[in-house]
Amino acid sequence: GAVVSQHPSRVICKSGTSVKIECRSLDFQATTMFWYRQFPKKSLMLMATSNEGSKATYEQGVEKDKFLINHASLTLSTLTVTSAHPEDSSFYICSATTGSNSNQPQHFGDGTRLSIL
Amino acid sequence: QQQVKQSPQSLIVQKGGISIINCAYENTAFDYFPWYQQFPGKGPALLIAIRPDVSEKKEGRFTISFNKSAKQFSLHIMDSQPGDSATYFCAASYGNKLVFGAGTILRVKS
Repeated sequence: GAVVSQHPSRVICKSGTSVKIECRSLDFQATTMFWYRQFPKKSLMLMATSNEGSKATYEQGVEKDKFLINHASLTLSTLTVTSAHPEDSSFYICSATTGSNSNQPQHFGDGTRLSIL
Repeated sequence: QQQVKQSPQSLIVQKGGISIINCAYENTAFDYFPWYQQFPGKGPALLIAIRPDVSEKKEGRFTISFNKSAKQFSLHIMDSQPGDSATYFCAASYGNKLVFGAGTILRVKS
């Protein structure tokens, strides 16, 4: 159980385009979803936290106008990288949880490899 | 205060040996300490987790040891296998936000 699906798994696009990444909880309702960014051989850095029906909370240093997050339902959150540039190339990973405290673990998707040419 | 320090950065263990990864934290408000395993090109998968009211937790070949007074916790992988070769992350959370360690690249030699 507790499967999180992320789509697409890989995307290559030209500089200046916008890219949307979907994160779905397949067998549970995710009250909270998280978006992380991971550079090669580095740890996961939290970008933002999104609760269903609310505006996302962004971590310090993350541009909210650059990384648009929507959490319209209990099973779907999307991250849109707007006007992407080569420096936005990275591995983006989402996670989902059913709870608002640490009693409920986070379940991660398999990530999206974004490459901006 | 929000950091979780993880060591070593990389580890090579012979098949059948014990792999040990250590983590330390500062924030005493952390109340949940999971370990994640990540294979290349995949997302992290929850391996095992512990709460601070318990000093040890074992699941199969994986054991977490937790020292609350020292604010340290460690992952032991017994009888390490080549299939265990992956990157391991410790983490700590307060509320539902996770803070990850830097990761340990484990290679088990057959």
